[in-house]
Amino acid sequence: AVRLTQSPSSLSASVGDRVTITCRASQGVSSALAWYQQKPGKPPKLLMYDAFTLDGGVPSRFSGRGSGTNFTLTISSLQPEDFATYYCQQFNSYPPFTFGPGTKVDI
Amino acid sequence: EVQLVESGGGLVKPGGSLRLSCVASEFTFSRYAMHWVRQAPGRGLEWVASISTSNTYIYYGDSVKGRFTISRDNAKNLLYLQMDSLRVDDTAVYFCARVRDPRYFDAAGALDVWGQGTLVTVSS
Repeated sequence: AVRLTQSPSSLSASVGDRVTITCRASQGVSSALAWYQQKPGKPPKLLMYDAFTLDGGVPSRFSGRGSGTNFTLTISSLQPEDFATYYCQQFNSYPPFTFGPGTKVDI
Repeated sequence: EVQLVESGGGLVKPGGSLRLSCVASEFTFSRYAMHWVRQAPGRGLEWVASISTSNTYIYYGDSVKGRFTISRDNAKNLLYLQMDSLRVDDTAVYFCARVRDPRYFDAAGALDVWGQGTLVTVSS
């Protein structure tokens, strides 16, 4: 089964900062990777699919890159509403449709 | 508004059973593959199971295989998760979610619509 790791597991940042989160797969997943944002007590929200395609309504300050085993999610200028936990998920080799362990972004 | 609403959660003893339901509204449910994802208290997301549009492709996570059964009723816009032989470590909020692109009929696609979740607590 494909394993996903994320780094860092948590980070502290300030409004306006540029933030990059990394997701690494134990084997290549092509570009079949999604990123989600989750706030406490809420369901996850899809940010990006196919590694770098923004879902509808997602601000352009979010961007994704990568293919194969290494992926990044970047927030170009962190906003107050971006403080949340971010997860990657792969869809190339399944089952399972593995999630990464998450990266918590706080102030 | 496109929506998913879960129900059926609650408190159950170890070894017991529960059936979760997820009702879909404002989209053509039969065209979309669906997933169940869970989240234990204070933990990350764990994929549980998925089902294709016509029940051809059904997949389970290793931790629930042989105990949980995913199914759907396209006529009623309902997704189900039958959970048997429940264990304490099945305690979690269970979310149903829709695969974004109906072309991914086997469920291998990103999840764009999520329910609010239903809490399952397994405890004696």
